Amino acid sequence: LAKTTQPISMDSYEGQEVNITCSHNNIATNDYITWYQQFPSQGPRFIIQGYKTKVTNEVASLFIPADRKSSTLSLPRVSLSDTAVYYCLVKVGGSYIPTFGRGTSLIVHP
Amino acid sequence: KAGVTQTPRYLIKTRGQQVTLSCSPISGHRSVSWYQQTPGQGLQFLFEYFSETQRNKGNFPGRFSGRQFSNSRSEMNVSTLELGDSALYLCASSLVAGDTYNEQFFGPGTRLTVL
Repeated sequence: LAKTTQPISMDSYEGQEVNITCSHNNIATNDYITWYQQFPSQGPRFIIQGYKTKVTNEVASLFIPADRKSSTLSLPRVSLSDTAVYYCLVKVGGSYIPTFGRGTSLIVHP
Repeated sequence: KAGVTQTPRYLIKTRGQQVTLSCSPISGHRSVSWYQQTPGQGLQFLFEYFSETQRNKGNFPGRFSGRQFSNSRSEMNVSTLELGDSALYLCASSLVAGDTYNEQFFGPGTRLTVL
């Protein structure tokens, strides 16, 4: 069974850049990679989505290597309000079932 | 534009009962997906509906079912509740079905507790 793997937790300090990597070794050929942010007692919120190479928006960048078996979410200059759980989401090849990683709990310290 | 709404927000049931959860997507969105979130299993896909048709289904038993109405509102039903069904049930809507580029907007969830 395909797995989507991310680190369980990360710590950082305000102003630093944070990179969170997700491994998805059985991603569907035509599927995009999506990252979400979730705060306690809320539903996940879309951060960024990409298919290959690099995507950047106003809050994050997403780096995807050519084999697309992993992706890295980059948060520039984090603040305390970025403390949350971050999830990657891909569709598994064959079944096309959307599969979330287990989430990375990011804690940003002052 | 109003976001995704889910009702009820909290629910307590006992084993063996059944429950129906409701989701109203963002206006104009035709796709609705349901997810179960638990501390042990994380976020797991239940099913996706688009234009009243189930397009995809996750690995859940037949006790879990859903439907979508012509106005895109969706309901999910769980019959013969088990203790392990206690979870946060999240609904997400999107403009189109989740084949390619597709941003999902999540509701706040329904917290179901089975006693």
